[in-house]
Amino acid sequence: DGGITQSPKYLFRKEGQNVTLSCEQNLNHDAMYWYRQDPGQGLRLIYYSQIVNDFQKGDIAEGYSVSREKKESFPLTVTSAQKNPTAFYLCASSIVPSNQPQHFGDGTRLSIL
Amino acid sequence: SQQGEEDPQALSIQEGENATMNCSYKTSINNLQWYRQNSGRGLVHLILIRSNEREKHSGRLRVTLDTSKKSSSLLITASRAADTASYFCAPAERGGYALNFGKGTSLLVTP
Repeated sequence: DGGITQSPKYLFRKEGQNVTLSCEQNLNHDAMYWYRQDPGQGLRLIYYSQIVNDFQKGDIAEGYSVSREKKESFPLTVTSAQKNPTAFYLCASSIVPSNQPQHFGDGTRLSIL
Repeated sequence: SQQGEEDPQALSIQEGENATMNCSYKTSINNLQWYRQNSGRGLVHLILIRSNEREKHSGRLRVTLDTSKKSSSLLITASRAADTASYFCAPAERGGYALNFGKGTSLLVTP
């Protein structure tokens, strides 16, 4: 079945450490997205990519980095510059144009040790 | 891109009752989408209504769109305990690069 796989489901980070969240899709979608969700809040866009080797900052990109070397993969790195990284991270994909329905993974919950 | 604002923030009903959630937005849209999120899971797309449509049905879901008032509503008929979830609207602008989700409506359906 086609879908989006995020791993790991839970992740712990020590102070000063970078961590990378994985997102893989087999839906043949061109566009991929990363969102952050805090308790009781909506989703905030971190980064998005509409094509391989190209990506754009969203509303809260500071302290995060991404790459898009393959169509299927859009990993997110939470750097030590992100001072409050504890959150639920969601990856999504869609066809282009990007105002079409998005398919979501089941998220990665990141916590600080 | 613009954000949808859902109302109410929380809604508690009994099984068999109908649940209505509202969404307001600020600028012109190409379409408006509704999503459901079960606790600890990703969002699931429920329904998309285009700007030239006024009403759309999918199973027990009914969505209306009033572009003159920049608002939409999601009606879930004959609610079940399994409908307990958060519901988000996402207005999609023409030429927009991404969807912008509001804080959602948290729906609790009790047996």
